Amino acid sequence: AQKITQTQPGMFVQEKEAVTLDCTYDTSDQSYGLFWYKQPSSGEMIFLIYQGSYDEQNATEGRYSLNFQKARKSANLVISASQLGDSAMYFCAMREGPPNDYKLSFGAGTTVTVRA
Amino acid sequence: DAGVIQSPRHEVTEMGQEVTLRCKPISGHDYLFWYRQTMMRGLELLIYFNNNVPIDDSGMPEDRFSAKMPNASFSTLKIQPSEPRDSAVYFCASSFGSALQGYTDTQYFGPGTRLTVL
Repeated sequence: AQKITQTQPGMFVQEKEAVTLDCTYDTSDQSYGLFWYKQPSSGEMIFLIYQGSYDEQNATEGRYSLNFQKARKSANLVISASQLGDSAMYFCAMREGPPNDYKLSFGAGTTVTVRA
Repeated sequence: DAGVIQSPRHEVTEMGQEVTLRCKPISGHDYLFWYRQTMMRGLELLIYFNNNVPIDDSGMPEDRFSAKMPNASFSTLKIQPSEPRDSAVYFCASSFGSALQGYTDTQYFGPGTRLTVL
């Protein structure tokens, strides 16, 4: 079974608007971590934001916020005030508890294209 | 601070040749990971090290693949002999600490090596 599901293969967003990228996960562990990475066309993987399973507050990093709904097992990324430089592939990833606590499971990714 | 450094950035080789990919993790990080990214399979973990010791190599596809970490600041991934199906982007990533110790253990990725085997 897929541990991370990203159902949106591609999205278009107008510059300066907000966009939400969906991510659902599957784990029976109580302790886990959720990550979002950005991969621009140049290919590097850039860490954006982290949410721990025990964190009560939704994580925020600048224009990025993570909408964490534990009961629904979702960890959606919200990008506010989109910029042209936000055009990239975005990956949701999960790190579970032992014995797999160092492995990241990645989703298939969502391509975001920001239009001027 | 310098991030994870990988070399070469691009490698084109012919089938049957040996390929060596190199990685320098972020200073102070005690975990190092090798990933492979393809269109068909996405991002796959190949192997990871803790304090220079290989912990889990279950993702290494075949015996043609080997990885070493002779010291805390250097790791190699070798493919011998290379095959066209090995064509992919290979990422190295590093992190510090573990979640069990209370760290977020975020993995920071290098720029990747794009390998093409003809």
